[in-house]
Amino acid sequence: DARVTQTPRHKVTEMGQEVTMRCQPILGHNTVFWYRQTMMQGLELLAYFRNRAPLDDSGMPKDRFSAEMPDATLATLKIQPSEPRDSAVYFCASGPPAENTEAFFGQGTRLTVV
Amino acid sequence: GDSVTQMEGPVTLSEEAFLTINCTYTATGYPSLFWYVQYPGEGLQLLLKATKADDKGSNKGFEATYRKETTSFHLEKGSVQVSDSAVYFCARVSSGSARQLTFGSGTQLTVLP
Repeated sequence: DARVTQTPRHKVTEMGQEVTMRCQPILGHNTVFWYRQTMMQGLELLAYFRNRAPLDDSGMPKDRFSAEMPDATLATLKIQPSEPRDSAVYFCASGPPAENTEAFFGQGTRLTVV
Repeated sequence: GDSVTQMEGPVTLSEEAFLTINCTYTATGYPSLFWYVQYPGEGLQLLLKATKADDKGSNKGFEATYRKETTSFHLEKGSVQVSDSAVYFCARVSSGSARQLTFGSGTQLTVLP
């Protein structure tokens, strides 16, 4: 049963600490998305990659957020330093190479910054 | 740019009532259209999809028809159940090299027994 795997599922950290969230896309998928979900803003696209190259990260605060794909099986989203306003659920999704297809979501990482 | 506009929520219905959640999209390109569902504490799951005009997507009693003339993709179900309580998102994916997935704001549905 192919699925997107995100770790950790929950993270509580103190303000100022570095946070790293990881995502393993479905094998064979070449598009990876990072979304952030909050009650106030809903679902926001932070960044997305095609064939490991960043295509759009305009939704991401550049001063503290960074997203990378070290290889085809791992995507990371880092926040350094973290702030209380970063508290949210972060979702990773992956999509296959075919045109106009859906994305498959992971279970999310619930981040709380205190 | 590409966008999706979704009916404001929340929506509260009694069990066995008819459901409609409206969704319209910008008419740039030839997008594929999707409805996703999110149950509490979980990620988004694909509910149904349609890839071209006049296609009807269906799953678990839900249906949506790709209407190019009205740029709409409204979600319907004839008889909702308590277990359908969730947040529903309309989405589109742009065609071509961009292929960015764009979501609506989500509609919270609560079905009461």
